[in-house]
Amino acid sequence: NAGVMQNPRHLVRRRGQEARLRCSPMKGHSHVYWYRQLPEEGLKFMVYLQKENIIDESGMPKERFSAEFPKEGPSILRIQQVVRGDSAAYFCASSPNYGGELFFGEGSRLTVL
Amino acid sequence: QQQVKQSPQSLIVQKGGISIINCAYENTAFDYFPWYQQFPGKGPALLIAIRPDVSEKKEGRFTISFNKSAKQFSLHIMDSQPGDSATYFCAASIKGGDSNYQLIWGAGTKLIIKP
Repeated sequence: NAGVMQNPRHLVRRRGQEARLRCSPMKGHSHVYWYRQLPEEGLKFMVYLQKENIIDESGMPKERFSAEFPKEGPSILRIQQVVRGDSAAYFCASSPNYGGELFFGEGSRLTVL
Repeated sequence: QQQVKQSPQSLIVQKGGISIINCAYENTAFDYFPWYQQFPGKGPALLIAIRPDVSEKKEGRFTISFNKSAKQFSLHIMDSQPGDSATYFCAASIKGGDSNYQLIWGAGTKLIIKP
């Protein structure tokens, strides 16, 4: 049973470009969470999705950031018009049917030049 | 009231010693308390978890102690090894409005075990 797969592992973008981060949850998991982590800091919750639904996006900036988890395919975190402050590691986690036990991917590290 | 406060921020322990990381919470509705371990460049991984109906849970060298009345829980690593050097996060979960649980995270403790 493969773990949570995130890609790309590393992404470099120039200011103003778009970044798309993908997350395939573990098989059988229908709940996906996105977190952001700055160097030497803890995890900051961004958004919680189930298939085709956004359940809680309270941690996600209202502008430039969006997330989806379609019926088929991976979850996508999209950052439009990136700025240097978006540089961080973005982690995806999945769970089977409750938020207690999360299984994390290895993260996507975004660098904005 | 939704916060989980974790301390210390960083910790250095000699090999073979006991590492202790503490967390405190306010919201008595929390009903699940996991600890996650994160190595540099990797995602966090569940290490051990406890529910408030028990006061202690042990898995190998790792023990969670839970004090419900004080609203505190701690992670103890016995016979700490250099391979334990990582960042440790405590968390607590609370039932969300749509019957799904969500995690509230501590800020993390960077643990270094000196050989």
